[in-house]
Amino acid sequence: NAGVMQNPRHLVRRRGQEARLRCSPMKGHSHVYWYRQLPEEGLKFMVYLQKENIIDESGMPKERFSAEFPKEGPSILRIQQVVRGDSAAYFCASSPTLSRNQPQHFGDGTRLSIL
Amino acid sequence: DQQVKQNSPSLSVQEGRISILNCDYTNSMFDYFLWYKKYPAEGPTFLISISSIKDKNEDGRFTVFLNKSAKHLSLHIVPSQPGDSAVYFCAAEYGGATNKLIFGTGTLLAVQP
Repeated sequence: NAGVMQNPRHLVRRRGQEARLRCSPMKGHSHVYWYRQLPEEGLKFMVYLQKENIIDESGMPKERFSAEFPKEGPSILRIQQVVRGDSAAYFCASSPTLSRNQPQHFGDGTRLSIL
Repeated sequence: DQQVKQNSPSLSVQEGRISILNCDYTNSMFDYFLWYKKYPAEGPTFLISISSIKDKNEDGRFTVFLNKSAKHLSLHIVPSQPGDSAVYFCAAEYGGATNKLIFGTGTLLAVQP
């Protein structure tokens, strides 16, 4: 059973470009979370999605960031007009339910570098 | 506002001895706590968790203790092994409809052979 798959593993963008980060949850998992880890910091919650629905986006910056989890295909975190401060590791996690007995499983992240 | 704090950025322990990693929190609404382990260039891996209705949970070499009155939890690893060397993150949830995790800043554990 494959784990949470994130791609690309590394992404380099110039200021002003768009970045698209993809996350395929584990098989059977319909709950997806995105977290961001800035250098020397812990992971910070960004958004929680279920299929076709954004449930909680309280951690998302108000501008330039968006997320989706379509009926078919991976979840996408999209950052428009990237700036240097967007450089970070972005982690996706998934779980099959909201049960406390089924903790979130994380992918290996996408490391975004802005030139 | 850092609601989950890990005040020790790093810890060094001899192989075979006990490792104790500490975590403090400020939000009394948190009702579930987890520890994750992270190797470089990998995602966090779940280790162990504890509900706020308990004060101890044990799984093999790993034990988590929760002191609600002090808003403090700790992870004990006995005996420590070189493969335990990693960054350990404490995380908290306050349930509701999302189970989003609030993470501490992590403690880098180095187990010396």
